[in-house]
Amino acid sequence: QKEVEQNSGPLSVPEGAIASLNCTYSDRGSQSFFWYRQYSGKSPELIMFIYSNGDKEDGRFTAQLNKASQYVSLLIRDSQPSDSATYLCAVSGPPGGYQKVTFGIGTKLQVIP
Amino acid sequence: DTEVTQTPKHLVMGMTNKKSLKCEQHMGHRAMYWYKQKAKKPPELMFVYSYEKLSINESVPSRFSPECPNSSLLNLHLHALQPEDSALYLCASSPGGFSNQPQHFGDGTRLSIL
Repeated sequence: QKEVEQNSGPLSVPEGAIASLNCTYSDRGSQSFFWYRQYSGKSPELIMFIYSNGDKEDGRFTAQLNKASQYVSLLIRDSQPSDSATYLCAVSGPPGGYQKVTFGIGTKLQVIP
Repeated sequence: DTEVTQTPKHLVMGMTNKKSLKCEQHMGHRAMYWYKQKAKKPPELMFVYSYEKLSINESVPSRFSPECPNSSLLNLHLHALQPEDSALYLCASSPGGFSNQPQHFGDGTRLSIL
């Protein structure tokens, strides 16, 4: 049983601060990692994906992957109130085949003005 | 607005009704997915179609029946649903059926069973 663990939060950060969202996974064979943002009552929106160890940056967002520690994180710089949402970590297995993506429960982020 | 379009946005139906949810994408993606999401829970995979063939059925009850008429369209036929089936139903697509490709979600259909 593949597991993806996230702290459900809420994680509260002041506006302008760095928000750090963390995720661990159980399957060492996992190869692809995704971060989705979901506003209340809305559908998940893809923010970042990362396949290789290290950092991947896109604007205010940085995804970090450490396969040895089975750990993936999302950093949000200069947090804005509009970033307040639930952030879902999703993990999938090796490329090839129709393996499904496993979602974590999501971390609720609150950015305080 | 997303590039995956789902209709209707809201649906209320009785337990004896038959209805269908529709999903359409024009990104040329060859894999399409149905998820069910309850409040404060992550999306739960129901079905995967890859190149118009059903490739994954997550042991979903037969009262849910998927259909993929072509590579752009995905339907979910509903019959004799139960109150616990009330949820947000999400459609997603990805370029192919492989797990390393990110999925893009539609806005969802919020389903209420009376």
